[in-house]
Amino acid sequence: GQSLEQPSEVTAVEGAIVQINCTYQTSGFYGLSWYQQHDGGAPTFLSYNALDGLEETGRFSSFLSRSDSYGYLLLQELQMKDSASYFCAVKGDYKLSFGAGTTVTVRA
Amino acid sequence: GAGVSQSPSNKVTEKGKDVELRCDPISGHTALYWYRQSLGQGLEFLIYFQGNSAPDKSGLPSDRFSAERTGGSVSTLTIQRTQQEDSAVYLCASSLDNSLANEQYFGPGTRLTVT
Repeated sequence: GQSLEQPSEVTAVEGAIVQINCTYQTSGFYGLSWYQQHDGGAPTFLSYNALDGLEETGRFSSFLSRSDSYGYLLLQELQMKDSASYFCAVKGDYKLSFGAGTTVTVRA
Repeated sequence: GAGVSQSPSNKVTEKGKDVELRCDPISGHTALYWYRQSLGQGLEFLIYFQGNSAPDKSGLPSDRFSAERTGGSVSTLTIQRTQQEDSAVYLCASSLDNSLANEQYFGPGTRLTVT
């Protein structure tokens, strides 16, 4: 099966940088994804890493180290609208297994 | 284009009743997934469809839960004899196919409350 660990909460001020770490144990691995979910909303896809290294998409970047079973999501130039829950997810044979989520609170 | 749609958006039912939840995926997406999310929790995988077949039903919590997909499009999740622990948000997602399962598009969910 799969298990994923990520911090439960992070608080930061506008303009700051936040890094959300995710470690995983999986019987099969086909990539690490990140999703954002605003309160009461649907999860939305942010990024996906299949290979080691850093992927940058605007203010958000995602990193993967397969040898360490570790990845992170980096949120830069934090804005109030970034307050949300962020989930890492690994793909096994068919399905995505999600972490419990990290609630990011951005303060003015 | 249209995203994933789900209906109803909210459902309140009495314990012991059956409920049907509907998901209409993005047109052309062959893979469809059902998840359950309890308040403040992560997403719990329920079932995956590729076309009309379900290669992975491993997440269905009990035999009271069943799902079908017809015409490679709309899917229905049925919960029989609902229990209070079934109360949650039921989310549906689709991807172009399972090889692209890392990038799933989610519907707004159905909030189920069992009283």
